[in-house]
Amino acid sequence: NAGVMQNPRHLVRRRGQEARLRCSPMKGHSHVYWYRQLPEEGLKFMVYLQKENIIDESGMPKERFSAEFPKEGPSILRIQQVVRGDSAAYFCASSPRRVGTNSNQPQHFGDGTRLSIL
Amino acid sequence: EDQVTQSPEALRLQEGESSSLNCSYTVSGLRGLFWYRQDPGKGPEFLFTLYSAGEEKEKERLKATLTKKESFLHITAPKPEDSATYLCAVLPGDSNYQLIWGAGTKLIIKP
Repeated sequence: NAGVMQNPRHLVRRRGQEARLRCSPMKGHSHVYWYRQLPEEGLKFMVYLQKENIIDESGMPKERFSAEFPKEGPSILRIQQVVRGDSAAYFCASSPRRVGTNSNQPQHFGDGTRLSIL
Repeated sequence: EDQVTQSPEALRLQEGESSSLNCSYTVSGLRGLFWYRQDPGKGPEFLFTLYSAGEEKEKERLKATLTKKESFLHITAPKPEDSATYLCAVLPGDSNYQLIWGAGTKLIIKP
C-alpha cells in the first residue's frame, strides 16, 4: 500500500494522559499536513511540516500540542495532558510539494486516527 | 473572512436520479478548488482540482464545474456505491497550502 499510513486507527486515553499519533506520508512526498475533524464539521488545518521543519503551526493550540517530522521515520502529532475536548478524528495528508505551486498535486489523506478521551 | 459553504447538508436520491451538489466560496483570490469524497471511517479521497472559471473535469458519473463564485459537482445516474460525503476545499490566493474546507454534503443513493 503506497498510500498515507496513519496509526493507530483508534486511540483511547484518559484525561491527563498523552496521545501520540503517527503518520507515514506517501512514498516520495516530503510535505505533511495535519487536520482535525469533528462530526458534521469541515476539516480544520493544524500544522504543516516538511522534513525536520515546522513551516506553519498556526492552526495548532500552543499549549499541549506539538508536531514533528524527523529526517527518518513518521511524522508525529503529540497531545499532552489530553482533555475531553481533544476527542476528534485527526487526519494526516501529504503532497510531493506545496499545494498551489505550479502543479496539479493535491493533498492525499490517510484514514485518520479516532481519538477518544474518557 | 475566507469561507466555503456546501449545500445541501444531506441529499437522498433514488438510484439513477441525477442531481448536483453546490460549493460556494468567498476567498481573496482563488488558486484552486478541490473536490474529495469521504466514506465513513475513511480519509478524504481526491477527486478533482479546478483552477479557473469555466473549467470542467469528469470522472465516471461525476462532473465538476467552476464559476467565479461556486462549484458544482454533478452526479449523473448515480449508483448506491456513490453514497458518501463529498467535501469541497478552496486554496485562497494568498496561501500556498492552507486549504479552507466546507462541511460536506452527505449523499445517500437508495437502490
